[in-house]
Amino acid sequence: RKEVEQDPGPFNVPEGATVAFNCTYSNSASQSFFWYRQDCRKEPKLLMSVYSSGNEDGRFTAQLNRASQYISLLIRDSKLSDSATYLCVVTRTNAGKSTFGDGTTLTVKP
Amino acid sequence: ETGVTQSPTHLIKTRGQQVTLRCSSQSGHNTVSWYQQALGQGPQFIFQYYREEENGRGNFPPRFSGLQFPNYSSELNVNALELDDSALYLCASSTDRARGYTFGSGTRLTVV
Repeated sequence: RKEVEQDPGPFNVPEGATVAFNCTYSNSASQSFFWYRQDCRKEPKLLMSVYSSGNEDGRFTAQLNRASQYISLLIRDSKLSDSATYLCVVTRTNAGKSTFGDGTTLTVKP
Repeated sequence: ETGVTQSPTHLIKTRGQQVTLRCSSQSGHNTVSWYQQALGQGPQFIFQYYREEENGRGNFPPRFSGLQFPNYSSELNVNALELDDSALYLCASSTDRARGYTFGSGTRLTVV
């Protein structure tokens, strides 16, 4: 079993739709959590950090559930420009290790 | 525009050769990590350096080694290249190990 697992998708949604991605992790010692966005043939870019209290940045909402060891990302009012691969990242700061999921591909269509 | 610069952007090497990839981080970014990304997969953690010392390593053999320098630059060295080493190699740096990272554009390595 992989340390970080994501539904690979692809998710194909119309503009304006709400879409949710989930990510599960297996190591309970994990300390920091992030969502990254990666466009085709580009480097990953930090989208947002994830906290147990939940955090929101415009149309994006991230949530962490430590008890169930999963992370979620909600995108509201999808735009064409949201089309990308979304990567979940789990970090064990004391071990100096960050683990990426394989990503979930989102395509937003007109 | 990314503050992390990697060189070269593309590289072709022969199986058995050695390669050095370079990364220049933003000033103050005392943490740097290297990743290998194969097509269709997420980045795989190779190792992390903090204040010039390796402080974390993924499941990569010893022929993958690195260095971090006081000027916030770093290197990834791979010896005895294998065909499976063909991938995109990404450098990522941060001011704080608990924060997110800024990635460079990567070096695409092809081993033939």
